Amino acid sequence: AQSVTQLDSHVSVSEGTPVLLRCNYSSSYSPSLFWYVQHPNKGLQLLLKYTSAATLVKGINGFEAEFKKSETSFHLTKPSAHMSDAAEYFCVYSSASKIIFGSGTRLSIRP
Amino acid sequence: DAGVTQSPTHLIKTRGQQVTLRCSPKSGHDTVSWYQQALGQGPQFIFQYYEEEERQRGNFPDRFSGHQFPNYSSELNVNALLLGDSALYLCASSYPNQGVNSYEQYFGPGTRLTVT
Repeated sequence: AQSVTQLDSHVSVSEGTPVLLRCNYSSSYSPSLFWYVQHPNKGLQLLLKYTSAATLVKGINGFEAEFKKSETSFHLTKPSAHMSDAAEYFCVYSSASKIIFGSGTRLSIRP
Repeated sequence: DAGVTQSPTHLIKTRGQQVTLRCSPKSGHDTVSWYQQALGQGPQFIFQYYEEEERQRGNFPDRFSGHQFPNYSSELNVNALLLGDSALYLCASSYPNQGVNSYEQYFGPGTRLTVT
């Protein structure tokens, strides 16, 4: 069965340091994968998407993610964290029959 | 250009009651999806509407039903409310006929439903 797992429920980094949010998926098919961000009391915003084109995907606000089929991973990274990056991040799996959100990773930024 | 809008923002209902939530998609979008997000969890897909028909459905009981109007706006109806239906209900819209697996969705701010 298809699934998506976000490996960390909470990640805390200092401002200016790299961010790594981890996501693993399980699927027999080639998936479409997305990262969304949710700021408090706001809707979800698409950061980036992978749809079987380039394996390294660049998104908004300096975020990028690499699709690694051998590791069934789609980790989200950013070289330098900003205070405004503090939010909830969701990894999303989409196929012909399912749309599955991960349980989310809360990113905190220390001054 | 207005994004996805939802109404009401907050709602309090009693167990057993019925509720209707509303969503207007982003201009130019014809497909609307609904999600339930319980506190501390990721959104769960309820169903998707396209051309006024339910195109796909997640694992939700028949108490959850919907409708899409000719102007592409949509309603989510929940009957016989349970305490466990308390959640943030999100509406998302997408570009014409992109299919489920590769489209980009635009989300509204959600409706917070509390069932007491």
